[in-house]
Amino acid sequence: KAGVTQTPRYLIKTRGQQVTLSCSPISGHRSVSWYQQTPGQGLQFLFEYFSETQRNKGNFPGRFSGRQFSNSRSEMNVSTLELGDSALYLCASSSTGGREEPQHFGDGTRLSIL
Amino acid sequence: AQSVTQLGSHVSVSEGALVLLRCNYSSSVPPYLFWYVQYPNQGLQLLLKYTSAATLVKGINGFEAEFKKSETSFHLTKPSAHMSDAAEYFCAVGHEGGYNKLIFGAGTRLAVHP
Repeated sequence: KAGVTQTPRYLIKTRGQQVTLSCSPISGHRSVSWYQQTPGQGLQFLFEYFSETQRNKGNFPGRFSGRQFSNSRSEMNVSTLELGDSALYLCASSSTGGREEPQHFGDGTRLSIL
Repeated sequence: AQSVTQLGSHVSVSEGALVLLRCNYSSSVPPYLFWYVQYPNQGLQLLLKYTSAATLVKGINGFEAEFKKSETSFHLTKPSAHMSDAAEYFCAVGHEGGYNKLIFGAGTRLAVHP
């Protein structure tokens, strides 16, 4: 079974631009979560989607948004990029999103803001 | 609110020595706990999970963890370290609301020297 696939692996952007990251979950998984990983803040939850609906959201500004498609693939968008948005963005999937379920992570997209 | 504390941001052991990585949690509901490992430039890989079936949990690569409710701990151990165990390790608790949200500790970087 293929794992969680994130594209692209690396991105370089400048301040003020916007960016879209993509995540394809494991086949059959309907819950997709996004996390931001930085050296200073560690791993922080961004949001979760299930059946095209956002069910949960972390404490991030409205510049961070996402969506999920009918095939469970998800995208994350960050507008008006700031230097502090430089991070590794990780996507994770699980079958239904239950708290007892382990999440399966992709290798992430490393975003660098110049 | 739930939280996870990992004692020791850096741990160094000799090859063949015992590995002990500490994790304490806080949760107002029965916790579901996880250990993940992250190698450089990769995402998170699940090592093991506690979901109340047994207090001693065995995972991949020879790791195991013991859930101790009275101590609110879930420490990770391995009897004999290998060079390939050098990585960053994260303890996490499933958010009480579910929705595929994990609350992570700050991580422990394990170094293994010959």
